[in-house]
Amino acid sequence: AQSVTQLDSQVPVFEEAPVELRCNYSSSVSVYLFWYVQYPNQGLQLLLKYLSGSTLVKGINGFEAEFNKSQTSFHLRKPSVHISDTAEYFCAVSDLGGSQGNLIFGKGTKLSVKP
Amino acid sequence: NAGVTQTPKFQVLKTGQSMTLQCAQDMNHEYMSWYRQDPGMGLRLIHYSVGAGITDQGEVPNGYNVSRSTTEDFPLRLLSAAPSQTSVYFCASSPPKGLAGNNEQFFGPGTRLTVL
Repeated sequence: AQSVTQLDSQVPVFEEAPVELRCNYSSSVSVYLFWYVQYPNQGLQLLLKYLSGSTLVKGINGFEAEFNKSQTSFHLRKPSVHISDTAEYFCAVSDLGGSQGNLIFGKGTKLSVKP
Repeated sequence: NAGVTQTPKFQVLKTGQSMTLQCAQDMNHEYMSWYRQDPGMGLRLIHYSVGAGITDQGEVPNGYNVSRSTTEDFPLRLLSAAPSQTSVYFCASSPPKGLAGNNEQFFGPGTRLTVL
């Protein structure tokens, strides 16, 4: 069975500071990895995904993530955050051989950007 | 394309009432799913479908029914609502495995359900 652990439930940060949101996963098979963002009272929007190839993945809004197979991690980073990045961020995993599309989500990390 | 649409946006039920949450997509996606989101719990899979006429259970299926008679629609039915079903419900769809998107799911705006 797969699982996803987001190590921080809340991350407060000042505007223009760098941020890292941590995600670790557990799986016995190869996986696809995703980060989704949820702005207040909205649905989920894909930030970026890792399917194969380069372990550094760039997404929308200046975010990037690095897949580390040996540490089973997929941490999300942004070098300089804006007030508008305030949202909840979800890491998710889907196994390559399993039921099409089924995602296992972490419990989310609330990013709060302060002026 | 409208993408994934959900109705209603808000709903209040009394314990024991039944209702159907609607979900539709216009992207010709074979895969559709329902999740519930509860504070501090992330999103948990309720039911999913890999195509018309095919449905299966996810992590938390109890108290919910689904059917998939067309590619476009995937309604979620609450047979007898309970306070524990108070949650935000999201519908999602995904293109076929192997095509562009590879398990990327597109989410609807959600339905906020309160059961009293």
